[in-house]
Amino acid sequence: QSALTQPASVSGSPGQSISISCTGTSSDVGAYNYVSWYQQHPGKAPKLMIYDVSYRPSGVSNRFSGSKSGNTASLSISGLQAEDEADYYCSSYTTITTVVFGGGTRLTVL
Amino acid sequence: QLQLQESGPGLVKPSETLSLTCSVSGGSISTSSYFWGWIRQPPGKGLEWIGSIYYSGKTYYNPSLKTRVTISVDTSKNHFSLKLSSVTAADTAVFYCARADVDTAMVRFDAWGQGTLVTVSS
Repeated sequence: QSALTQPASVSGSPGQSISISCTGTSSDVGAYNYVSWYQQHPGKAPKLMIYDVSYRPSGVSNRFSGSKSGNTASLSISGLQAEDEADYYCSSYTTITTVVFGGGTRLTVL
Repeated sequence: QLQLQESGPGLVKPSETLSLTCSVSGGSISTSSYFWGWIRQPPGKGLEWIGSIYYSGKTYYNPSLKTRVTISVDTSKNHFSLKLSSVTAADTAVFYCARADVDTAMVRFDAWGQGTLVTVSS
């Protein structure tokens, strides 16, 4: 299985909004609404930010939102804050009962 | 509060078998609500799912690692384990254990261990 495709990096200024794409295929992202997003700060374990495409776990800011269209899922962050600077990974369930991650996107808050 | 803790050797020789255990505290591993998984991250690189196990022992593996991976669960000790055979330097990584909700097809990893670095070197 191939990793989902994410941009290597995105950036934005404090207060701005950004979006990170996650492109898969009809065998993963496009097949189910089982896409999750994780935030990872340096040296730390990943943290679940979005699950089932657009649901936020308790405690995650509503500045984070998710969506999906066809084989591409997206994570949006509004009102960028310095603490949002991190690596972000998408993941998806697949039609062969496996899990696949994206390559990761480095978010820089300018 | 649920906690997961990885343990095992930090250094493994090439061609040998890497063995790690994830101890679960603050909750039972013998629940029908969750899968228990292993994810790795080579230094400076992205996350890679290794595999997941249900408390019954049913396993799911990454096809690219399937021939070398064994994940098992010991409900009496409330832990699950990873074995990766015939390791090479390319297997050097931080290994995480994590819990995933059954209702979201084992993709929703909502609790993670802190991770443990395993280096493959002679």
